[in-house]
Amino acid sequence: EPEVTQTPSHQVTQMGQEVILRCVPISNHLYFYWYRQILGQKVEFLVSFYNNEISEKSEIFDDQFSVERPDGSNFTLKIRSTKLEDSAMYFCASSVGPGGYNEQFFGPGTRLTVL
Amino acid sequence: SQQGEEDPQALSIQEGENATMNCSYKTSINNLQWYRQNSGRGLVHLILIRSNEREKHSGRLRVTLDTSKKSSSLLITASRAADTASYFCATSFSGGYQKVTFGTGTKLQVIP
Repeated sequence: EPEVTQTPSHQVTQMGQEVILRCVPISNHLYFYWYRQILGQKVEFLVSFYNNEISEKSEIFDDQFSVERPDGSNFTLKIRSTKLEDSAMYFCASSVGPGGYNEQFFGPGTRLTVL
Repeated sequence: SQQGEEDPQALSIQEGENATMNCSYKTSINNLQWYRQNSGRGLVHLILIRSNEREKHSGRLRVTLDTSKKSSSLLITASRAADTASYFCATSFSGGYQKVTFGTGTKLQVIP
């Protein structure tokens, strides 16, 4: 069964450093998302991406964040200058159609620890 | 905010019993979805119910939606130890298109 994959599973970085989290969505999906979950808290929407551009983003997704689909398979989230409060589990998801109307398939997540 | 609020926050039951979790939200929605999350893992989609539907079944899962009360419930019948997980409702609101907003979750423990 096709699945969303994410690398790395755990990333440790120093405050102020740039990190890139990588995701490979399901191949025939057209809509891509990033969410984050701070330990013990709810899952928060960051951004959705469709047709090679951001379609929706939350207030969390400020200028420090960017997303890219550099090729036909990868979808990345970049945090330019990490802060302590960026420590969280980051989930990538993809769907065939718009996420509000279709099942989103989630990856296993990348645990980001900012020291 | 139109986020969902689950109730109860935590639920502990014996294997074989039924588990009921509730979700309330604030604004009009297009759809409501339920997801399961095993500890420290990704989210698994369980069921999607559209705003014009009242009830939906999938295996041992039964979901109801009452748009007049802005609430939904998830019933797991004949629970198993493997059902131990956190359960989240996720809503997409009218006027929205792609974003879903997750609720606070119910942590279910099924005791063998």
